[in-house]
Amino acid sequence: AQSVTQPDIHITVSEGASLELRCNYSYGATPYLFWYVQSPGQGLQLLLKYFSGDTLVQGIKGFEAEFKRSQSSFNLRKPSVHWSDAAEYFCAVAAGDSGAGSYQLTFGKGTKLSVIP
Amino acid sequence: EAQVTQNPRYLITVTGKKLTVTCSQNMNHEYMSWYRQDPGLGLRQIYYSMNVEVTDKGDVPEGYKVSRKEKRNFPLILESPSPNQTSLYFCASSRWGLQGAAGNTIYFGEGSWLTVV
Repeated sequence: AQSVTQPDIHITVSEGASLELRCNYSYGATPYLFWYVQSPGQGLQLLLKYFSGDTLVQGIKGFEAEFKRSQSSFNLRKPSVHWSDAAEYFCAVAAGDSGAGSYQLTFGKGTKLSVIP
Repeated sequence: EAQVTQNPRYLITVTGKKLTVTCSQNMNHEYMSWYRQDPGLGLRQIYYSMNVEVTDKGDVPEGYKVSRKEKRNFPLILESPSPNQTSLYFCASSRWGLQGAAGNTIYFGEGSWLTVV
C-alpha cells in the first residue's frame, strides 16, 4: 500500500523568506502526487499536481514542486512567503489499479506553516 | 459553478443516534469519496465509489456506511455514532477514478464538523 510522510509537523518562517515543505512517498509504481492547502476552518484547495512529464510542476499562488523519483520526494517550494500563506499543507499520492479503474488518495499528516510578519 | 456540497456543516449529536451526512456534486463525476480529518493524522479515506452502485472500503471504514444510488449523491451514514467518530469530514469527487487522466481534478466539499457526545 502507498504511504506519504511529511516529516515536519510545524514550520515557522518570516514573511519574504523562502519556503520548502518536504514530502516523501512510498509506492511501487509511478505515483500521482498532489499538494493541497487548508486554511483554518476551510476545505482543501489544490495547489498543484504531478501526473507525468516535466518533474518541476508549477501551481497556484506562486508555489512549485519538484518530483524526484530517486529520492521518492515531492517537495513544495515558494521563493518568497506571504503572511496569507499561513495554513496547513497536505501532500497526497493517488495510487491503485489502473486496470480496474480504481484508486485511493492517501494523504500525509500535514505540515502547519506559520508566517512571522 | 463546480461544487461539492455537504450537509450539515456542523452537527452535535448523541451516542447511538443514527445520522446521515449528505454529499452532492453538480459535475456529473463518476468518482466520489469520503475522508475524515483528525489532528495529527491528516485525512484518511473512509469509503469511495467508482460509479453508481459501486462502493469500496477505504482505510477507516469501520462504523460507517455509504450508498451510491444516484451519480450526484454519496451520503455517509453513521448507524450508531460513537465519540471516536467526532471529526471533520470531507466529501470529494472527480470525473473518473483513473489516475493520471488528464483533467481529473479532485474537488473537495467544505467539510462537516461532527461532534458525538
